Amino acid sequence: NAGVTQTPKFRVLKTGQSMTLLCAQDMNHEYMYWYRQDPGMGLRLIHYSVGEGTTAKGEVPDGYNVSRLKKQNFLLGLESAAPSQTSVYFCASSYQGQGSFSNQPQHFGDGTRLSIL
Amino acid sequence: ELKVEQNPLFLSMQEGKNYTIYCNYSTTSDRLYWYRQDPGKSLESLFVLLSNGAVKQEGRLMASLDTKARLSTLHITAAVHDLSATYFCAVDDNDRRFGAGTRRTVKP
Repeated sequence: NAGVTQTPKFRVLKTGQSMTLLCAQDMNHEYMYWYRQDPGMGLRLIHYSVGEGTTAKGEVPDGYNVSRLKKQNFLLGLESAAPSQTSVYFCASSYQGQGSFSNQPQHFGDGTRLSIL
Repeated sequence: ELKVEQNPLFLSMQEGKNYTIYCNYSTTSDRLYWYRQDPGKSLESLFVLLSNGAVKQEGRLMASLDTKARLSTLHITAAVHDLSATYFCAVDDNDRRFGAGTRRTVKP
């Protein structure tokens, strides 16, 4: 049982380059999330999705785009990478819960360490 | 804007001793979450607290929630593999906001 898988695990980009981070889950979860974690800080929500074909902005969405074309995949795109986007990115998923935001435990991927020069 | 504050931010734990981490938040949310992160690893969900007065215990960990005081506590009886972990609380508002984390003190 793979759980939540993120690819790639590491990446170095130059300013202005674009890339896509892939998150895949095999638990049939409705909800998926993208977070970034900067040194000495907690996680900040970038975007999330409450189901296939739907996405919503989180706390820090600027400079990122997402897509949820398939229930099991949640893609995070950087259109024009900036040094401020150097961070560790975590994807998570959870079962649907009550209300507009799932109250179920989140399952996290191992993270993608992204450096932008 | 929702604020989630953890106290202490740094902790030097010793095996077998008891510690308490506090999580204060500024909204009326009744959903609070505790997570653990080992160095260089991802987050692991510890507890989900969904109502006032909720108390959950698992092994050496116990968490409680007081929604009136907007306060949650995490009690830890430290084992060896706990000493380097960072503990996060998070609260749901329009999205899920995390505290800054309580991490191991790094001695100079």
